[in-house]
Amino acid sequence: EAGVVQSPRYKIIEKKQPVAFWCNPISGHNTLYWYLQNLGQGPELLIRYENEEAVDDSQLPKDRFSAERLKGVDSTLKIQPAELGDSAVYLCASSPRLAGDSGEQFFGPGTRLTVL
Amino acid sequence: LAKTTQPISMDSYEGQEVNITCSHNNIATNDYITWYQQFPSQGPRFIIQGYKTKVTNEVASLFIPADRKSSTLSLPRVSLSDTAVYYCLVGEGTALIFGKGTTLSVSS
Repeated sequence: EAGVVQSPRYKIIEKKQPVAFWCNPISGHNTLYWYLQNLGQGPELLIRYENEEAVDDSQLPKDRFSAERLKGVDSTLKIQPAELGDSAVYLCASSPRLAGDSGEQFFGPGTRLTVL
Repeated sequence: LAKTTQPISMDSYEGQEVNITCSHNNIATNDYITWYQQFPSQGPRFIIQGYKTKVTNEVASLFIPADRKSSTLSLPRVSLSDTAVYYCLVGEGTALIFGKGTTLSVSS
């Protein structure tokens, strides 16, 4: 079974430029997450989708970050414009379960963003 | 969501059993306790999850006392490849909050 796929793996941009990350979850997984992970810290949830609906985006900086999950499968996370402080690893995870159920999340390898 | 506290780092030698304890004093009735492992340049990987008493799988055991205010991840006979960061998470359903984790270093 293929795991969570993310691309690109690495991205270097200059500040104020836009950037987009793509995630393909495990087939059949209803729930998709985007996390941000700074060096030496645990992942921080940005947004959670159940199918195509964003059910928790309270931690997403909506002035510059946006996300979509069309058709409830692939998802894209965008930053526009990027700031120096956005340098981090962006992780995507998926889960076969919906909110209220226990269960593991399956993480992709992440996209390492460097903003110069 | 309940906040968790775990040691920042631990050291061990190959072949030893390692126990990492996590405290979660404000755990709610419906909260599960979940542990993840993360290697450099990889996403976290699920290790084990439990609700009460003891859970064991092919890689670890999870001990949860009756009051559920703490939990202990037990890794039997660690090897060099177990060097990683281990996260304890407490939450209901899919709403998980990661802490800073415990960095386990295994030496030969």
